[in-house]
Amino acid sequence: DAGVTQSPTHLIKTRGQQVTLRCSPKSGHDTVSWYQQALGQGPQFIFQYYEEEERQRGNFPDRFSGHQFPNYSSELNVNALLLGDSALYLCASSFAYRGRRETQYFGPGTRLLVL
Amino acid sequence: AQTVTQSQPEMSVQEAETVTLSCTYDTSESNYYLFWYKQPPSRQMILVIRQEAYKQQNATENRFSVNFQKAAKSFSLKISDSQLGDTAMYFCAFPSTDSWGKLQFGAGTQVVVTP
Repeated sequence: DAGVTQSPTHLIKTRGQQVTLRCSPKSGHDTVSWYQQALGQGPQFIFQYYEEEERQRGNFPDRFSGHQFPNYSSELNVNALLLGDSALYLCASSFAYRGRRETQYFGPGTRLLVL
Repeated sequence: AQTVTQSQPEMSVQEAETVTLSCTYDTSESNYYLFWYKQPPSRQMILVIRQEAYKQQNATENRFSVNFQKAAKSFSLKISDSQLGDTAMYFCAFPSTDSWGKLQFGAGTQVVVTP
């Protein structure tokens, strides 16, 4: 049973560029959440996708956008990159059980460095 | 607003010894889950253990166990028979109590296991 996968593993961009990160959820999961983790800090929630729609959003600017596909995989897009966007981006998947999604399983992350 | 507090930035323990990590949280809900995640140097976020608030019995997973004190809103993690591979950052996490369950993480506790 494949777990959550993410690509690419590492990425280097320059300020002002745009980046797309990808995530495939664990088999049987239908909800994908994205988190940003700066070095030395806990992950911060960016947004969550279910049935191809953004369902929840954290305190992140509109430069951060996403998409979910019919096969439940997801993309995170960041436009106009800033140095402060350098972080580990984590994708987590979950499924609805009795209408709730409690347990999230994480992928290995994508390390983004903005120069 | 829900908050999660980990007051121990770093803890050191010798192999085969026991270490306990503390976590407190704030919520007005009565039915919820709590999680401990482990993040080794690879930065993969790994689920260690989860506790359902309506269960009085403390959760146990092999060498990992929790001490859940619902009234005190305390959720500590005990690592028994510590192994070198337990060296990691440990995060306490609390999901939002709506159906989407976005995770709120504590600041983390760095555990270092020494020979």
